[in-house]
Formats: sequence, structure tokens, C-alpha cells
Amino acid sequence: DADVTQTPRNRITKTGKRIMLECSQTKGHDRMYWYRQDPGLGLRLIYYSFDVKDINKGEISDGYSVSRQAQAKFSLSLESAIPNQTALYFCATSEPAGSSGRGYEQFFGPGTRLTVL
Amino acid sequence: AQKITQTQPGMFVQEKEAVTLDCTYDTSDPSYGLFWYKQPSSGEMIFLIYQGSYDQQNATEGRYSLNFQKARKSANLVISASQLGDSAMYFCAMREPPNTGNQFYFGTGTSLTVIP
Repeated sequence: DADVTQTPRNRITKTGKRIMLECSQTKGHDRMYWYRQDPGLGLRLIYYSFDVKDINKGEISDGYSVSRQAQAKFSLSLESAIPNQTALYFCATSEPAGSSGRGYEQFFGPGTRLTVL
Repeated sequence: AQKITQTQPGMFVQEKEAVTLDCTYDTSDPSYGLFWYKQPSSGEMIFLIYQGSYDQQNATEGRYSLNFQKARKSANLVISASQLGDSAMYFCAMREPPNTGNQFYFGTGTSLTVIP
């Protein structure tokens, strides 16, 4: 079973609709992240959370909000979707450096492909 | 300023040959981590290799090695004996230190095509 899961995997919606993307993890990690990927731009950080009470804006947080419902769950919301939010969205988790020896390696979910018409 | 720069949008390599994917980074902090990820056409992000800024030796993981040149702020990925399955997008990433939030920054990626 996947350690980091995202639902839905694909979503097509219309401009102005509210959309929620969900992320769940069974890795026991405190740190969770949301990224979006656009062709030619790589991955850009939207929001990140180091624990349930800690939420931080990333590079491109405008138009997005998040909720950390529990250690294992981190949701991303688009309150009023617009076409330029069409992208591939990734959730990721990470652990302290000492655990894997790989210095906060990010473990990614499979991605959610969102299309806003 | 870009934290991570990958200047090769696309690369081609003959099967069984070695290829180097370039990555330069920008940070003034002495403590950071450098990563390479592979993204095949299926879309998932696959961790390949990690280099810590204080590591004395270049990291290696099977056919992957990271050519770490700290003074030049470069962290190139070398893939030896390329295979057809290596065709994918490759992303270089940098993790900032804990006191600045441990954020990750990704480059724009290099698309590698392995030719039979």
C-alpha cells in the first residue's frame, strides 16, 4: 500500500467552483507539503506544515488554503478555482534527518491532475 | 533569484553511455541538502540521490552519482550505463536548513531521452 495517498487522482472542474484535494500518509511524518507542477516551471511550494498547529505559506500560496486535520491528513483547497490553477498537484511528507540519513528527504504522493475549465 | 538552476531543458544519450545532468544552486547558508528526483511519464516523483553540504565524499547510489563541487555550487547528476528506462524528467532540489524552515526548492527539470 502507498505511504502517501492523494484523492482524487484526476479532477476536472469549472471556474469559480470550490475544490478540495486531500492527502493522507501512513509514514508517521510530522512534516507535510503541497506543491504544484507546471510544465517548464518545476515544482513550486504552495503550503507546508510541520505539525498540526503549524501552517506556513510557501512560494505561491495566493488562491489556496490548507487544513491540517491530523498528523496524517493535509488538505488543499481552492476556494474559487481559476483556469491558471490547472496543474499537477503533489503532496509530500518528510522526516527528521536522523531517521533515514538522507536529510529530510521528501516522500511524494502520486499526484492529482487538476483541470479548471 | 533562482535557488536551483537546471540549464538543460532536454538531453539525449545513447543507451549504455554515461550522461551528466547539470544543476547549480544558490544559498549563503553552510547547511543544506541537495537531492535529485526522477519523474517518469507516469508522473510519480522517485528519489534518486542525496548529498549533504557537509558530506566530504560524492554521493553514489547504484548507477547514479552526484558530482558535488561546493565552491562552484554545483551538484551534477551522473547516470552511468544509461538504460531505456532512464528516459524521464529529472529534477534537482535543495533543502534549506532548519532555521530557515527546511523548505525545498526545485529546479525546472531536464528531460532525458535514452536512444536505443
